[in-house]
Amino acid sequence: DAGVTQSPTHLIKTRGQQVTLRCSPKSGHDTVSWYQQALGQGPQFIFQYYEEEERQRGNFPDRFSGHQFPNYSSELNVNALLLGDSALYLCASSLTGRINTEAFFGQGTRLTVV
Amino acid sequence: QQPVQSPQAVILREGEDAVINCSSSKALYSVHWYRQKHGEAPVFLMILLKGGEQKGHEKISASFNEKKQQSSLYLTASQLSYSGTYFCGTYDYKLSFGAGTTVTVRA
Repeated sequence: DAGVTQSPTHLIKTRGQQVTLRCSPKSGHDTVSWYQQALGQGPQFIFQYYEEEERQRGNFPDRFSGHQFPNYSSELNVNALLLGDSALYLCASSLTGRINTEAFFGQGTRLTVV
Repeated sequence: QQPVQSPQAVILREGEDAVINCSSSKALYSVHWYRQKHGEAPVFLMILLKGGEQKGHEKISASFNEKKQQSSLYLTASQLSYSGTYFCGTYDYKLSFGAGTTVTVRA
């Protein structure tokens, strides 16, 4: 059973560019959450997708957008990249509505903006 | 709102014990604990639900006091493999994490 997979693993972009990160959830999971983790910090919640809709959103600007496909996989898009967007982006999958179950994290995408 | 963790870092020798605390200004329905090793994804340790439940994972246990809106993670007889950064997460339709506590266990 494959866990959560993310691609690419590393990415280097220039300021002002746009980037798309991808996530496939663990088999059987229907909810995908995205997190940004700066060096030495805890994961910061960006947003959560369920049934192809954004259900919850953290304090991130509209430059951060996402999508969920019918097969539950998800994309995170970041427009007009800033140097401060450099971070590890983590995807986590879970089952909606079940607070007594864990979230499974992918290995993350390390984004460097230069 | 993010939970607050303390201490920020702790250094232990093998076999020593440590406690990591997590507190929230909001009412808690559940607390999640994860461990992240350097360069790896966070890995689930345990979930505690309302009711003062205490759970364990090997020699790592935790308690949850919803009245005080606090949870504590107990590392007992620490092993080298316990090194990593521990995050508590509070659930309010989304999982919000604290800044983490870095644990270093030395031989």
